[in-house]
Amino acid sequence: GENVEQHPSTLSVQEGDSAVIKCTYSDSASNYFPWYKQELGKRPQLIIDIRSNVGEKKDQRIAVTLNKTAKHFSLHITETQPEDSAVYFCAASGGADGLTFGKGTHLIIQP
Amino acid sequence: EAGVAQSPRYKIIEKRQSVAFWCNPISGHATLYWYQQILGQGPKLLIQFQNNGVVDDSQLPKDRFSAERLKGVDSTLKIQPAKLEDSAVYLCANLRAGEQYFGPGTRLTVT
Repeated sequence: GENVEQHPSTLSVQEGDSAVIKCTYSDSASNYFPWYKQELGKRPQLIIDIRSNVGEKKDQRIAVTLNKTAKHFSLHITETQPEDSAVYFCAASGGADGLTFGKGTHLIIQP
Repeated sequence: EAGVAQSPRYKIIEKRQSVAFWCNPISGHATLYWYQQILGQGPKLLIQFQNNGVVDDSQLPKDRFSAERLKGVDSTLKIQPAKLEDSAVYLCANLRAGEQYFGPGTRLTVT
C-alpha cells in the first residue's frame, strides 16, 4: 500500500518568513495530493491540493509543487502570519480512494 | 464547509464496553469515509463506502470494528469490545468535486 513520509515534524519560522514542508510517497499510481491544516481540537481542513497532471498550483500565499519522477511534493507558505500556526498534513491517494496521510508538521510562527 | 454531521462529539467508555458513532454526509454524497486519528498522528482510513457498498476496509480491525451505511446516506461505526488503544478521534468524510471534507469528529476516550 501507499506510504507517505513528511518532514520536518516541527518547523519554527519568524513571522513574515516562508515555510516549506516536504512529503514523499511510494505508490506511483497515486495521482491526488491534498494538504490539510488542523488547529488544536478541530477537524482537518483542506487548504490546497494538486493532481498528477499539474506540476505546481498556487492560491494566494500558499503553493504546492509536485515532482512525479522523484515522488515528492511540497507545501510552500510565504509571508507567514500568526494564524498560520497549526499542524499541517500531506496526503496521497489514487483519485477517490481513501487518503494516506503523513505524520504531520507542527508549524510555529514566532512573532 | 461541505456539510458532514457527526454525533456524539465526545464519548467516554470503559474498556470492553461497546460504542457507536453516527455520520451524516449532509450533502448526500455517494462516497463516505471513516478515519481514525490517534493523538499526534495523521488520520488513518478505516473504511470507504460507495453508496451502500464497501470499497475498502483493509485497515478496519474486523474482530472488533464494524460499519454500515443504510440507504446510501447515514453511516454508523461500531466498536465492540473497546480497547484502550481505540482512544482517538473518529472522523467521517465525504467526497465533493474530488475533494474530501471532514466532519467535526467524535472524540473517544477508553478508560
